[in-house]
Amino acid sequence: GAGVSQSPSNKVTEKGKDVELRCDPISGHTALYWYRQRLGQGLEFLIYFQGNSAPDKSGLPSDRFSAERTGESVSTLTIQRTQQEDSAVYLCASRITGTTYEQYFGPGTRLTVT
Amino acid sequence: QQQVKQSPQSLIVQKGGISIINCAYENTAFDYFPWYQQFPGKGPALLIAIRPDVSEKKEGRFTISFNKSAKQFSLHIMDSQPGDSATYFCADRLNRDDKIIFGKGTRLHILP
Repeated sequence: GAGVSQSPSNKVTEKGKDVELRCDPISGHTALYWYRQRLGQGLEFLIYFQGNSAPDKSGLPSDRFSAERTGESVSTLTIQRTQQEDSAVYLCASRITGTTYEQYFGPGTRLTVT
Repeated sequence: QQQVKQSPQSLIVQKGGISIINCAYENTAFDYFPWYQQFPGKGPALLIAIRPDVSEKKEGRFTISFNKSAKQFSLHIMDSQPGDSATYFCADRLNRDDKIIFGKGTRLHILP
């Protein structure tokens, strides 16, 4: 079946502009995560959605970052007034309830802020 | 902030050799301890995971060893192959709300 998809695959934007990144999770996956991966670095937790519960936003680095998810479907990560340090690959992952350790990752969106 | 500490950061191994990557966690709510594998330009993918009531699990050339008292688990790759060259991540679940964090990764390079 289809895996997690993300769009766009690449995004180049000018400093100060807003960007919106999209994640389509695997159908039926109730949990959805966003991570940031800077070049050559590890996975930095950003935000986590579980069903209709309030999201865990504890990893968002600043108030310029926000994310939404409607039910168990698509999620969007929005970065306002982008800065050069926002340049990274943004990865989305989803999983089904009950298998906390098995996340399915999308291919990521590579964001470059010039 | 709770962390998951991986070592080494990078590793070079000759083809046919054994690759060993270690992970130390602080506190966990995980029911399984996973290792993920990431190839360049791709998202990470689950490689192997172990339950905390088991000390070792083997899948082909990949083995996880778990030491609960030391709060450590490790990944062993036997007969390492160039196709194993990738970045490997361990992970921890911080609480019952399922916040999952990852180590900083180990970049493995297998020499042909």
